[in-house]
Amino acid sequence: AQTVTQSQPEMSVQEAETVTLSCTYDTSESDYYLFWYKQPPSRQMILVIRQEAYKQQNATENRFSVNFQKAAKSFSLKISDSQLGDAAMYFCAYRSYGQGAQKLVFGQGTRLTINP
Amino acid sequence: EAGVAQSPRYKIIEKRQSVAFWCNPISGHATLYWYQQILGQGPKLLIQFQNNGVVDDSQLPKDRFSAERLKGVDSTLKIQPAKLEDSAVYLCASSFSLAALGTDTQYFGPGTRLTVL
Repeated sequence: AQTVTQSQPEMSVQEAETVTLSCTYDTSESDYYLFWYKQPPSRQMILVIRQEAYKQQNATENRFSVNFQKAAKSFSLKISDSQLGDAAMYFCAYRSYGQGAQKLVFGQGTRLTINP
Repeated sequence: EAGVAQSPRYKIIEKRQSVAFWCNPISGHATLYWYQQILGQGPKLLIQFQNNGVVDDSQLPKDRFSAERLKGVDSTLKIQPAKLEDSAVYLCASSFSLAALGTDTQYFGPGTRLTVL
């Protein structure tokens, strides 16, 4: 079974600075997807960024980018120019590359605080 | 486009009582998921439906939890009887997924926070 580990329960950063959230995973599969979800106090999970394992290029979405190291099974999220609205729980998630729908396997989460 | 709807947002019950949660997925989404999120943890899949059939319920405590998705649209998750350890947020998600390979984004509802006293 696949597992996802986020070793940083909490992180904090000054507004406008850059922060990196860590994620490692364990799998025997060669093809899969990785995700970062944001969960604000409203509890609604919001997709931040997605990476396909077969793509070597790291995904980027505006101020959010990932560092995907397949051999090391590492998938970190970098948030540039941090904003107060970025404060939330961040979850790393894994999904198998199967036909049809596949469940997400989540890490424990990292609580990100933005200091003004 | 309307998102995933869930109700109620909050529920407080005594242990051994029963409770039901409702989810209405995004229109046209074939797959529906129920996740349990215990405080301080990431969500864990309880059950996954493809249309009105169950795809994965391997982590559903079937002695007390049940779920159905009538007509392949709305879904209800029930707990009977509830235990203290069932206190959690119950998240519903849906995705389009018609047996196609590729990224299939799951969209989440706001969740129901259950407190069992």
